[in-house]
Amino acid sequence: DTAVSQTPKYLVTQMGNDKSIKCEQNLGHDTMYWYKQDSKKFLKIMFSYNNKELIINETVPNRFSPKSPDKAHLNLHINSLELGDSAVYFCASSQVPAYGNTIYFGEGSWLTVV
Amino acid sequence: SQELEQSPQSLIVQEGKNLTINCTSSKTLYGLYWYKQKYGEGLIFLMMLQKGGEEKSHEKITAKLDEKKQQSSLHITASQPSHAGIYLCGALPEGGGSNYKLTFGKGTLLTVNP
Repeated sequence: DTAVSQTPKYLVTQMGNDKSIKCEQNLGHDTMYWYKQDSKKFLKIMFSYNNKELIINETVPNRFSPKSPDKAHLNLHINSLELGDSAVYFCASSQVPAYGNTIYFGEGSWLTVV
Repeated sequence: SQELEQSPQSLIVQEGKNLTINCTSSKTLYGLYWYKQKYGEGLIFLMMLQKGGEEKSHEKITAKLDEKKQQSSLHITASQPSHAGIYLCGALPEGGGSNYKLTFGKGTLLTVNP
């Protein structure tokens, strides 16, 4: 069973569209994250939720809105997509944010905006 | 903010050779994670180090954290084509909680020629 699963894996869409990426974890973790990997392979955190509450919100355009309906799910909605949003988006999860807890990543969602 | 420098940026080795990848921090490392990324497979957790001088091994991969907790190395013995991929180190800053966000290095691209 996949521990952290994301859908879709690949997404090609036009500028201006609105799209969502879904993430689910079956590890019983309380904390979930969204990371973005740009074209230079640089991986940076975007958001983090702990038990459905937003705890980390990096400097991200407000076109990006995370939503956590329950602690096993963290979805990422992107409005008015721009070319620069093309990247790989990784969902991750861990137990409560504490040293020693492993952070598990999903397989990534490849978003291409044309 | 914490910055991680990985070296080398890329590495090409012949199958069977040993190799080392380094990760150096500008600040004390409070949790050092090593991940491997293969195209289409997301980030695979390898090891996590916390204590100065700590060393962990998994199969042919050994990771160490120096006593000062500012440098980590990943060593692969008798490399195989299956070891090929991008190796990323990630570190946690002091504090946990809302600071529980991994900062990643830019990765080391490993190619193993048969």
